Parts: sequence; C-alpha cells; structure tokens
Amino acid sequence: ETGVTQTPRHLVMGMTNKKSLKCEQHLGHNAMYWYKQSAKKPLELMFVYSLEERVENNSVPSRFSPECPNSSHLFLHLHTLQPEDSALYLCASSQGWGTEVSEAFFGQGTRLTVV
Amino acid sequence: AQKVTQAQTEISVVEKEDVTLDCVYETRDTTYYLFWYKQPPSGELVFLIRRNSFDEQNEISGRYSWNFQKSTSSFNFTITASQVVDSAVYFCALSGPDDKIIFGKGTRLHILP
Repeated sequence: ETGVTQTPRHLVMGMTNKKSLKCEQHLGHNAMYWYKQSAKKPLELMFVYSLEERVENNSVPSRFSPECPNSSHLFLHLHTLQPEDSALYLCASSQGWGTEVSEAFFGQGTRLTVV
Repeated sequence: AQKVTQAQTEISVVEKEDVTLDCVYETRDTTYYLFWYKQPPSGELVFLIRRNSFDEQNEISGRYSWNFQKSTSSFNFTITASQVVDSAVYFCALSGPDDKIIFGKGTRLHILP
C-alpha cells in the first residue's frame, strides 16, 4: 500500500463522545500534518510533527489531541467536540527539511459531523 | 510569521480564455518552498508544482505556467486556453525550515462553457 491513508472516511459523533482519527503513510516521509478544512477557513494547519516531535500546535483547542507514535502513523483524538468542529480533517505527510523537501501528500480526509 | 495571501476569492472566465491566479507570500526565511495545489469538486488535493526560493526561473507545463518574482514576493499561476475541467479551488502554499506548510485561503475558479 502506498500514499497517505485516513480512516474513517466519515464520522458522526455526539458532543460527549470520544473518537480517534487515524492516518498512515507509506512514503518514508519524516513530517506529518493535521489540517482542518471548513467553509470559513480552508486548509487550516492544526498540528505538525517532524521526526515524531510536535513542532506546531497553532492554538488548537485541547479537545483535539494529536499523537504520533512513529514516523508512519498519526492520530487525532477527539473528545467533547462542538458542532462548529464539523469539518473535513486532512492528514498529510512530506519529506521535511534536512533532506530534499517534498510537497505534502494528502489523504482523502475524514468528514466529521458533530451532532 | 509566514503568511500566504490569495486575494481572489472567486474567478469566473469563459472557456478558452487565459486566467491568472495571484499568490503573495510573507516570510522571514531566506530559504523556503512554494507550492500550488488543485482541489477539484471530488475533493482530493492534487499537487501541481514546487519551487524553492533560489530558483526564480519561470516554469511552463502544458497550459499551466508559473511566474515567481522574489522582488514582489509573488508566485502567480496562469492557465492558458482554459477548459471546463480546470474548474476547481486552487491553493498556494509556503514551507519554511520549521516544516510548517501554510496554505492560502484558495481561489475558486469557474470555467464557463
């Protein structure tokens, strides 16, 4: 399997639920990202991990909690979300600085609806 | 701080017309990368081009061309002889040594038949 894979593709959750989004890349990249895409703020950077170290939080509410256990996997743990958190959540990976920089490769996203 | 501005929110042109999408960026880094992506109605983000800050040579790929001007911090994208299939949202992005990839708000392009 190649590229960036996100699961699930669609998720509906209540405001009191806890769920996790998963991202996996098989490209050998050393940087991974979570982006939020909504009508108000297209492609808003949430988190960056470079060599498994978090380098960017970007003032994201604590109800979103990222986890990067290794260079191939990235999770976004969700709890007590609000309806305004409904959006498309995109994972991406790239070959970051220190080597030849690549473009970001994106997964197909998880469409999240909070009810 | 890094910033990417795509001032054109939405553009409509008639098929076969040429259209230019503007991108202006801000960065304090001397070394950086610029990108353009296309997001068609199907939703996936399609990579179009990458350019590093030391390479100001303009690039042409078929009907697509890019004009990188460091003096004005711009990286504009032109589609020549536009086609209906070019209808999409186009994003410009900037990457610096901190590994952040910052995107502009996108320009929605409508090509009318």
